[in-house]
Amino acid sequence: GQNIDQPTEMTATEGAIVQINCTYQTSGFNGLFWYQQHAGEAPTFLSYNVLDGLEEKGRFSSFLSRSKGYSYLLLKELQMKDSASYLCAVSGSGNTPLVFGKGTRLSVIA
Amino acid sequence: GAVVSQHPSRVICKSGTSVKIECRSLDFQATTMFWYRQFPKKSLMLMATSNEGSKATYEQGVEKDKFLINHASLTLSTLTVTSAHPEDSSFYICSASGETDTQYFGPGTRLTVL
Repeated sequence: GQNIDQPTEMTATEGAIVQINCTYQTSGFNGLFWYQQHAGEAPTFLSYNVLDGLEEKGRFSSFLSRSKGYSYLLLKELQMKDSASYLCAVSGSGNTPLVFGKGTRLSVIA
Repeated sequence: GAVVSQHPSRVICKSGTSVKIECRSLDFQATTMFWYRQFPKKSLMLMATSNEGSKATYEQGVEKDKFLINHASLTLSTLTVTSAHPEDSSFYICSASGETDTQYFGPGTRLTVL
């Protein structure tokens, strides 16, 4: 079966750091994606992890542990514009559809 | 990064009419395109997977005769909502992938059926 879990909602303060966790159980695994989706807009690509470890890209970092079926997205120096839904998605194999989590709605408050 | 466009961005139509939505990969060849639907405050729902030159694979519960998908070239896929009804009103989003696993999303098309 395919199962991806992430928290439904999170709230964090402007300037702070927030970690959004994602656990997965899928029949195949090539890699894990994180997407950002603002309300009323389509998702935009943030990161792709294939190997274990931390990938840093500016204020955003993504971590993967394949043995634990676990990933997190780390957002530093939060800004109000970071308020959005963050989608965790697993790639099975080839060009099969990504399996998406339900998304974590992050609210950044002053 | 790869760019995917969708047209139109917004469409309003009368019940019973058909609406065609185009999805184009602008700077890469998309061997596979995916069509999603998203209702307000709900998750993305995959409707179908489309490989260039072959028939689309529809997800369970998605009517292939109602949602016609054509992927005639490596840069263009179309979704036609036939005989649209108010319950078809939604945000339709396509994504495309080429040589890598990464799916790049189009900006979406907001369909309102009156």
